[in-house]
Amino acid sequence: DSGVTQTPKHLITATGQRVTLRCSPRSGDLSVYWYQQSLDQGLQFLIQYYNGEERAKGNILERFSAQQFPDLHSELNLSSLELGDSALYFCASSPTSTNEKLFFGSGTQLSVL
Amino acid sequence: AQSVTQLGSHVSVSEGALVLLRCNYSSSVPPYLFWYVQYPNQGLQLLLKYTSAATLVKGINGFEAEFKKSETSFHLTKPSAHMSDAAEYFCAVSSNTGFQILVFGTGTRLLVSP
Repeated sequence: DSGVTQTPKHLITATGQRVTLRCSPRSGDLSVYWYQQSLDQGLQFLIQYYNGEERAKGNILERFSAQQFPDLHSELNLSSLELGDSALYFCASSPTSTNEKLFFGSGTQLSVL
Repeated sequence: AQSVTQLGSHVSVSEGALVLLRCNYSSSVPPYLFWYVQYPNQGLQLLLKYTSAATLVKGINGFEAEFKKSETSFHLTKPSAHMSDAAEYFCAVSSNTGFQILVFGTGTRLLVSP
């Protein structure tokens, strides 16, 4: 158990809908990272937050947004969902703003029908 | 920009045989290099990392990797495979400065047969 909790584990929704994925980092970790894993794109970095502030941005679509709250949990919001958004979304945390060791959650499997 | 290339999407070995998973990196600055493992229905777990100290890095579960700058490689090895090693392995790179975004390879699935 990595100590990173992601909910829900599975999410099935329809095109055009909006969903929210939640991540609770390990106790004491200040950084949260979001990754998308799909068969065709592999593991893609989406966004990083450090202590409530956006730290780095990767291949995140404009339809997607994220935030980190004062209690350090993070949410990834996906809107106007398309079939191609179906993927496994991972959250990871680390104690600092660097990524020398990331602790990954078990992911949220999103299926857009 | 940094990237890693993992040669072979699938590698099959027999139990007890040498495991060799290949990773080549591209980086314009001195890199940090990582190997992560993903077991079925789980998140990724760090196996080992290279951060410019010793070039031969030992990780968990008997795995090790050697950083070879001249070959821009960071191959993962284990002398004797166990059935429990069957998983997907990801090589990753980041810079040692700046925002240090971790860039993953496409992964190599290791199959271990009895």
